[in-house]
Amino acid sequence: AQSVSQHNHHVILSEAASLELGCNYSYGGTVNLFWYVQYPGQHLQLLLKYFSGDPLVKGIKGFEAEFIKSKFSFNLRKPSVQWSDTAEYFCAVNPASFTGGGNKLTFGTGTQLKVEL
Amino acid sequence: DAGVTQSPTHLIKTRGQQVTLRCSPKSGHDTVSWYQQALGQGPQFIFQYYEEEERQRGNFPDRFSGHQFPNYSSELNVNALLLGDSALYLCASSFFGTYGYTFGSGTRLTVV
Repeated sequence: AQSVSQHNHHVILSEAASLELGCNYSYGGTVNLFWYVQYPGQHLQLLLKYFSGDPLVKGIKGFEAEFIKSKFSFNLRKPSVQWSDTAEYFCAVNPASFTGGGNKLTFGTGTQLKVEL
Repeated sequence: DAGVTQSPTHLIKTRGQQVTLRCSPKSGHDTVSWYQQALGQGPQFIFQYYEEEERQRGNFPDRFSGHQFPNYSSELNVNALLLGDSALYLCASSFFGTYGYTFGSGTRLTVV
């Protein structure tokens, strides 16, 4: 079974600071990787995803993530955060081979990001 | 607008009671998945429905059951509620065979 670890549970940054949130996964095969964001009172939204190809993935709102296969990592980055980035961020994985029996996402425990003015 | 509609948004139940949560998928989606998000945790997969059948199930007891209707909408039923069932229940829809999930805003269930 796959598992996902997010090591930073709470992060506080000042506006314009750089962000990096860690994500490591455990799975014996090929995976698809995702970062989701949950703004206060809103639904989970997809920030970016990696299926294959270039390991540096760019998403919405200036976020990017790098897949490092040897480290089983998929860290999220943003060069300069804004107050509006305050939210909870979740890393998630699912097996890359679609078995036809369903494709479940396994989430990490999330990182609560607070950006201060 | 999430495109996925869940109802109700909040409800309070007593231990031992039964509850039904509802989900209407995004237009064009035919697959519905349910997740439980306890406070301070990431969402955990409960099960997924496609063609009115349960296709995959997570590590949840049989007290959790579901149904999918011909119009692709879905229900999650939980019997014999426990205090530990208090959580945000998320519905996610997708098109079968793809990885493009759309999540609803969830139903906040409190068991007292």
